[in-house]
Amino acid sequence: GAVVSQHPSRVICKSGTSVKIECRSLDFQATTMFWYRQFPKQSLMLMATSNEGSKATYEQGVEKDKFLINHASLTLSTLTVTSAHPEDSSFYICSASRGYQETQYFGPGTRLLVL
Amino acid sequence: DAKTTQPNSMESNEEEPVHLPCNHSTISGTDYIHWYRQLPSQGPEYVIHGLTSNVNNRMASLAIAEDRKSSTLILHRATLRDAAVYYCILRDVGYGGATNKLIFGTGTLLAVQP
Repeated sequence: GAVVSQHPSRVICKSGTSVKIECRSLDFQATTMFWYRQFPKQSLMLMATSNEGSKATYEQGVEKDKFLINHASLTLSTLTVTSAHPEDSSFYICSASRGYQETQYFGPGTRLLVL
Repeated sequence: DAKTTQPNSMESNEEEPVHLPCNHSTISGTDYIHWYRQLPSQGPEYVIHGLTSNVNNRMASLAIAEDRKSSTLILHRATLRDAAVYYCILRDVGYGGATNKLIFGTGTLLAVQP
């Protein structure tokens, strides 16, 4: 199998605080991980691509200083939403793949609500 | 990225086959055709992918047109648990600047009636 987990599954925080979301590949080594965001009734929007041991590549319009991504090991990537505001409330989903041309497998998502 | 066109929604009856179409007239030679589905409040789930030949797995079949400008995802017997948004995505796996990115469109919302 190819199982990807995310933690937490949902989080509520106050405006101005930072939130960290973890993405783990449980049964395979993921050289590449991706982070997506999905607003209600919309499709997934790719935020960034991260390769293990390298800096993440952010999509146009995504603030790299606000959405910090770390991919320090082959099984773990983290997304930190810094100084979160209500407009950052969304469904954050990660995916992982074994390699450059390999299939992406998605995590279950993390629902963030910023009050 | 090459784009795909899918109907916004489709309906099916339980235990009947479902054919979900996808048009990708600008597909390039190194584009793989991927299908994912997303159940409510969950992350997308990989369904199937192919390049030129038809593909079968335990979840579905993928029929690819000879000119590769369209494809059809086939669910052989729809169940209530198949109700989801189905995304048809082209992924360029060629070398020389290509990435492994998936660019999601709006997909097809499949409703399954009991």
